Amino acid sequence: DQQVKQNSPSLSVQEGRISILNCDYTNSMFDYFLWYKKYPAEGPTFLISISSIKDKNEDGRFTVFLNKSAKHLSLHIVPSQPGDSAVYFCAARAASGGSYIPTFGRGTSLIVHP
Amino acid sequence: ETGVTQTPRHLVMGMTNKKSLKCEQHLGHNAMYWYKQSAKKPLELMFVYSLEERVENNSVPSRFSPECPNSSHLFLHLHTLQPEDSALYLCASSQGSGYGYTFGSGTRLTVV
Repeated sequence: DQQVKQNSPSLSVQEGRISILNCDYTNSMFDYFLWYKKYPAEGPTFLISISSIKDKNEDGRFTVFLNKSAKHLSLHIVPSQPGDSAVYFCAARAASGGSYIPTFGRGTSLIVHP
Repeated sequence: ETGVTQTPRHLVMGMTNKKSLKCEQHLGHNAMYWYKQSAKKPLELMFVYSLEERVENNSVPSRFSPECPNSSHLFLHLHTLQPEDSALYLCASSQGSGYGYTFGSGTRLTVV
């Protein structure tokens, strides 16, 4: 059973517009959430994260929103650029039990058209 | 060299072959991981090594055999694989358990 779900396998956006990537989770013990970005032929790289004590974290064009009651988070990219075209993985981890190993979603492929 | 380096980048092997994937990290991390990425599936954690001891093995078939000779090197030995094992195999390292992950570029494995 998937604990981290990215239900949209792909998203297509025009350059300059906002990209919104969604992620849902089922494990209420998750307390830290991460987004990774992956280009073809490269490994995933860390993009942005958010702790469960916050509901928003912003870093330049990237903002992550967390809705704990809905067990939902989203990544907003504004304005979107063609170089943002990549696969975006949502990940979540739980501090309980001493393991901080994240659980990943399937990824959403973002295509930003010039 | 810095970061996490994986070799080879691409590998094609027959079902009766034996091959090994190599991962090397130059970050001073003390934990290393093998992940499998198949099309339309989440990143699947295969093995975790912390301080050179295997601490997790997520029900991976015995045809995959990991080895961690020291904190900088991790191997995945492959034998008698199946076509469904074709995937991108990613190595990652971290300082502490799961914190500050750094991934390698992966090995694209094709089993024929």
